[in-house]
Amino acid sequence: NAGVTQTPKFQVLKTGQSMTLQCAQDMNHNSMYWYRQDPGMGLRLIYYSASEGTTDKGEVPNGYNVSRLNKREFSLRLESAAPSQTSVYFCASTGTGGHQPQHFGDGTRLSIL
Amino acid sequence: GEDVEQSLFLSVREGDSSVINCTYTDSSSTYLYWYKQEPGAGLQLLTYIFSNMDMKQDQRLTVLLNKKDKHLSLRIADTQTGDSAIYFCAESIGYGGSQGNLIFGKGTKLSVKP
Repeated sequence: NAGVTQTPKFQVLKTGQSMTLQCAQDMNHNSMYWYRQDPGMGLRLIYYSASEGTTDKGEVPNGYNVSRLNKREFSLRLESAAPSQTSVYFCASTGTGGHQPQHFGDGTRLSIL
Repeated sequence: GEDVEQSLFLSVREGDSSVINCTYTDSSSTYLYWYKQEPGAGLQLLTYIFSNMDMKQDQRLTVLLNKKDKHLSLRIADTQTGDSAIYFCAESIGYGGSQGNLIFGKGTKLSVKP
């Protein structure tokens, strides 16, 4: 059972480069999320998708775009990377109805020079 | 807005009990969660408690909820070195019929000394 899979696991970019972080889940979940984790800051929500075909901004959306490609996949794009976007990015997903915990991927460690 | 506060560090000796505390602000939160993050890994759901409960026990884990004070705690009995990790408290700010979005605390780094 793969759960939530993120690719790549590590990436180094130069300032101004673009990149897409990929996330896929195999649990038939409706909702998907992108977070960033910075030292001493906990997790902050960048964007989420409540269901296929919808996306909404979270707490820190500036500098990012997302695409909910289908029910399984939710990608995060940095159009012009900045050093302030150096972080660990986590994707999560959850089902609907009753109590449904969020399931997390292992993260993408992104460094922008 | 909603906020979740936790102390940043806790150090205990192997075999002792650990208590990690958390305060939250949204009184309408339906569920409150504890997640564990080991180095280089994602977040793993440890346990959760529904807002109409006061306590939940799951093997070595005990969650206590004080709704009046908006205080949540996680007690780990007989703490082992394998319990060394960062522990996140999170409250749900649900929408629609799902669990919805979570607000996370900054995490408590638990160090267990042999």
